[in-house]
Amino acid sequence: LAKTTQPISMDSYEGQEVNITCSHNNIATNDYITWYQQFPSQGPRFIIQGYKTKVTNEVASLFIPADRKSSTLSLPRVSLSDTAVYYCLVGERYNYGQNFVFGPGTRLSVLP
Amino acid sequence: DGGITQSPKYLFRKEGQNVTLSCEQNLNHDAMYWYRQDPGQGLRLIYYSQIVNDFQKGDIAEGYSVSREKKESFPLTVTSAQKNPTAFYLCASSPQTGIYNEQFFGPGTRLTVL
Repeated sequence: LAKTTQPISMDSYEGQEVNITCSHNNIATNDYITWYQQFPSQGPRFIIQGYKTKVTNEVASLFIPADRKSSTLSLPRVSLSDTAVYYCLVGERYNYGQNFVFGPGTRLSVLP
Repeated sequence: DGGITQSPKYLFRKEGQNVTLSCEQNLNHDAMYWYRQDPGQGLRLIYYSQIVNDFQKGDIAEGYSVSREKKESFPLTVTSAQKNPTAFYLCASSPQTGIYNEQFFGPGTRLTVL
């Protein structure tokens, strides 16, 4: 089962760029990397997904090096509303479906 | 509006009672999931279902049961066999199983067993 390692918490100030790195040494060839955001007492929300190199959308960028053993979620110019927990997921396929693992995530605190 | 609904938002039960949490989606998604979240922790998969009348155990299925009689509905029963049922329960759906597809989450049900 592919496991991920992320920092438990990070602090940032409004307007800064935040980079959260996830380590996934046992990633399999067919696995994708997905990031979710969760606010307190709410369900997680999909942010971005990628397989290799760089993916960018209106919310974030995802950088994946060639060996795919890590990935970095980049949030440009964060605001107070970006304070949340961010989860890195790596897919793993069994014979009859997948078992997603949401680790403890990274608790990002954006300060004024 | 399309989405996932979970009810109730808060639920209190006495120890030893079974309780069923509701999850309904009108997104026409094939796959549905149940997760449990404890304070300060990540989500743990309880059960998931790829199609109607089929479901698979996740990491922590003991003490829980599910059914998938309709595509739109995936109720979770927390039985008296679940040793520590107090938690935040999240239901999700996706167009098909596989992390390639985005999971859409409901608002959650916070269960407290007294």
